[in-house]
Amino acid sequence: GAGVSQSPSNKVTEKGKDVELRCDPISGHTALYWYRQSLGQGLEFLIYFQGNSAPDKSGLPSDRFSAERTGGSVSTLTIQRTQQEDSAVYLCASSFVRGYNSPLHFGNGTRLTVT
Amino acid sequence: AQKVTQAQTEISVVEKEDVTLDCVYETRDTTYYLFWYKQPPSGELVFLIRRNSFDEQNEISGRYSWNFQKSTSSFNFTITASQVVDSAVYFCALESNNAGNMLTFGGGTRLMVKP
Repeated sequence: GAGVSQSPSNKVTEKGKDVELRCDPISGHTALYWYRQSLGQGLEFLIYFQGNSAPDKSGLPSDRFSAERTGGSVSTLTIQRTQQEDSAVYLCASSFVRGYNSPLHFGNGTRLTVT
Repeated sequence: AQKVTQAQTEISVVEKEDVTLDCVYETRDTTYYLFWYKQPPSGELVFLIRRNSFDEQNEISGRYSWNFQKSTSSFNFTITASQVVDSAVYFCALESNNAGNMLTFGGGTRLMVKP
């Protein structure tokens, strides 16, 4: 079946512009996660959704970052007034349910470059 | 606080050699899960294994084996008779109940298998 789909795969934007990253989870997966992988860094947790609600927003690095999920499916991560330090690969993952018995399935990521 | 350390940032081996990727973790929780993920050049993270903190039995799956030792807080991953297709970045990760299902990743180990 289809895996986690992210778009765009690559995005180049000018500093100060807003960007939207999209994630289509695996059908039927109720949990959705956003991670960020900066150059030379490990994976950094950003936000987690259970259905449409986000009980854990602790990882968002600043108030320029926001995310929403509608219909318990597609999620968008929005970065306002982008900065060069926002350049990274943004990975989305989904799992059937939140919990240990549901491994995360990751998309290929969106590579964001802020010039 | 949770932490995962993968001390080897990059390993290079020749095909058919065995290779062990180290992972050391820190957590105050008694119940937790450990994971290994593979990130091939395509970028998508592939789930390899999950092990809970109460199961210290070593596991073997084909050419892959995992050695979990609570006494040393380590969860090492060995690839036997490595192949070029094993070339990837491998991430060790930790998840605990008290961390709200947030995966804490190590920095990753880039494995290069040369023919």
